Amino acid sequence: SYEVTQPPSVSVSPGQTAYITCSGDKLGPKYACWYQQKPGQSPVLVIYQDDKRPSGIPERFSGSSSGNTATLIISGTQAVDEGDYYCQAWDSRTEDVVFGGGTKLTVL
Amino acid sequence: VQLVESGGGLVQPGRSLRLSCVASGFTFNDYGMHWVRQAPGKGLEWVSGIRWNSHNVGYADSVKGRFTTSRDNARNSLYLQMSSLRPEDTAIYYCAKDDAGFDNWGQGTPVIVSA
Repeated sequence: SYEVTQPPSVSVSPGQTAYITCSGDKLGPKYACWYQQKPGQSPVLVIYQDDKRPSGIPERFSGSSSGNTATLIISGTQAVDEGDYYCQAWDSRTEDVVFGGGTKLTVL
Repeated sequence: VQLVESGGGLVQPGRSLRLSCVASGFTFNDYGMHWVRQAPGKGLEWVSGIRWNSHNVGYADSVKGRFTTSRDNARNSLYLQMSSLRPEDTAIYYCAKDDAGFDNWGQGTPVIVSA
C-alpha cells in the first residue's frame, strides 16, 4: 500500500520558522493537505491543495510542494502552534487516502 | 457545519457495530465523506471514503471485506457497518467532510474491541 513519511518530531524556538516535511514516492499528481491536532481534540485542516489556507487559519501557516516532498511551513512559530501535524495525500493508483505518521511540533 | 458521530461502544471480538454520522449546516449530497480512526496514542488512519452519489467507495486494506460504508442523502447521514471486529480496531472513529481536504470533522465516537 502507498505510504507517506513524516519526521516523528520537530522542535523550534518561539518566533522561528518550522518546517515539517512529507515524502512519498509519486506523491502527486493529487495535492497534499495538512492537519493540526491538539490533545483531546479533532484534527483541523490548516493547508489544502499543497499551499492553500482555509479561512480562519493564521497567515503564518503556508505550504509548498516539489517533486516527491510536500512541506508545511510555520513562520513566526508560537507556543499555541504546539501539537501533532499530519500530512494527507492520495494513492494516485487507487485514489485511496493516506495519512503520514504525524509529526509532534514542540516550541521550546 | 456540524458532524455528529454515534454508535460507538464496547464490543467483543468478532462481533459487529454500526456507526452513524449526522451532518448539518451544508448540502450533504454535494460532498464526499470519509471515516478516519485514531487508535489510543497513535496517528490518524484513513478507514473509508464515499463519493456524494455512493458510486465510488474506498477502503483501507486493514478493513477491506469487514467494513462497509454507506450514506443516506435524504437523512444527511453517513454510516460505517463494522463486522468481524478485532482488538486492533479499537480507536476513536471520526467522520469528515471532503472539500479539497477534510475541512470539517466530527468529535469522534470511541470503539473498544475487547473480551
